[in-house]
Amino acid sequence: DTGVSQNPRHKITKRGQNVTFRCDPISEHNRLYWYRQTLGQGPEFLTYFQNEAQLEKSRLLSDRFSAERPKGSFSTLEIQRTEQGDSAMYLCASSLGTSGGAGEQYFGPGTRLTVT
Amino acid sequence: RKEVEQDPGPFNVPEGATVAFNCTYSNSASQSFFWYRQDCRKEPKLLMSVYSSGNEDGRFTAQLNRASQYISLLIRDSKLSDSATYLCVAPRIGGSYIPTFGRGTSLIVHP
Repeated sequence: DTGVSQNPRHKITKRGQNVTFRCDPISEHNRLYWYRQTLGQGPEFLTYFQNEAQLEKSRLLSDRFSAERPKGSFSTLEIQRTEQGDSAMYLCASSLGTSGGAGEQYFGPGTRLTVT
Repeated sequence: RKEVEQDPGPFNVPEGATVAFNCTYSNSASQSFFWYRQDCRKEPKLLMSVYSSGNEDGRFTAQLNRASQYISLLIRDSKLSDSATYLCVAPRIGGSYIPTFGRGTSLIVHP
């Protein structure tokens, strides 16, 4: 399977705990995006990498969220001191972006986070 | 005003009908826009890219109206399998292009 993969698929955690999610993009894609989606809403942009460089981070993203993409391959998204409002589906997408646009994105199956 | 707006629906249509969705955007000078399809509890999947000249793929036609700042998706001869949520994307210019999704329009095709 050469698509985007995400692990774990589901995560249940208690409020205040830290969680880390992993995304493996399509191998030749240089861009990697993280989104959060809640019921009835479209994916909300969190952050974006081009190769290993984090180029954009949403203004809505608190300091509890951090993402990395070492060596421009897989990426991790960490949420520290989780809150119940963090409960959502976290989606990763990759694309072969050009300088002129966002490119066509391919999404992973997502990680569903439940904070109790 | 949200940067990308869509009527959430649902649009309830019979098989064989033609249905059209609009998506309005603001704050974008991107050259390309996108439509994605999302099935219940699944990830979004790219349906079509939308360029200034429009795009057609079988029963699906997408158009861009820059003057009025909207993109449209037309589905002809609807099938039961077309039932899904349709998300539009209008990349917003930040330091680089930031994909901004609408909340999606729900389509239900019934027999």
